[in-house]
Amino acid sequence: KNEVEQSPQNLTAQEGEFITINCSYSVGISALHWLQQHPGGGIVSLFMLSSGKKKHGRLIATINIQEKHSSLHITASHPRDSAVYICAALYSGGGADGLTFGKGTHLIIQP
Amino acid sequence: DVKVTQSSRYLVKRTGEKVFLECVQDMDHENMFWYRQDPGLGLRLIYFSYDVKMKEKGDIPEGYSVSREKKERFSLILESASTNQTSMYLCASSWGQGYTIYFGEGSWLTVV
Repeated sequence: KNEVEQSPQNLTAQEGEFITINCSYSVGISALHWLQQHPGGGIVSLFMLSSGKKKHGRLIATINIQEKHSSLHITASHPRDSAVYICAALYSGGGADGLTFGKGTHLIIQP
Repeated sequence: DVKVTQSSRYLVKRTGEKVFLECVQDMDHENMFWYRQDPGLGLRLIYFSYDVKMKEKGDIPEGYSVSREKKERFSLILESASTNQTSMYLCASSWGQGYTIYFGEGSWLTVV
């Protein structure tokens, strides 16, 4: 099955720091999702992108198709950004939902 | 805003019981999904439905069945719950592949 690798698995940073979470995948994706999961379980879709860069508030997602790599950046991080961040690759011809999920990056922002 | 609502947040069931997890979405989405999430394993697809009464098995369908009698409602059924089905279950919906996927709040199931 197609793989999605995230790094780091765990990240602790101080409030205000610039955060980068990485996601690498195999060939043949048509899009990539970035998801956020807060303690308690609910998952929110942050971005879906197939090329270039998207920005929403302090969050920026980029994807480099040639390098098979995507990054999620958080500028001026805040304790409320503490969550698990999950990338999910949509593979052309993939399974029922086409999605392969990474195992997540557990981010803690300390005040 | 799209809302995906799961009927129960926390359930405790006994081994062998039949368990129903209900999910309702309010955006007329074609696709609905049931995932389970376990530490270290990430999200795994149990079943997927792309239309009323239509379903496809995901990666881990064993021990589960689903029902989609109405477009907005997708139910996950554990015919005879076992302790290895203790997990967090997430329902999701979307217009289709390549569209934003919307998740419910999750249902924490403990089987004792």
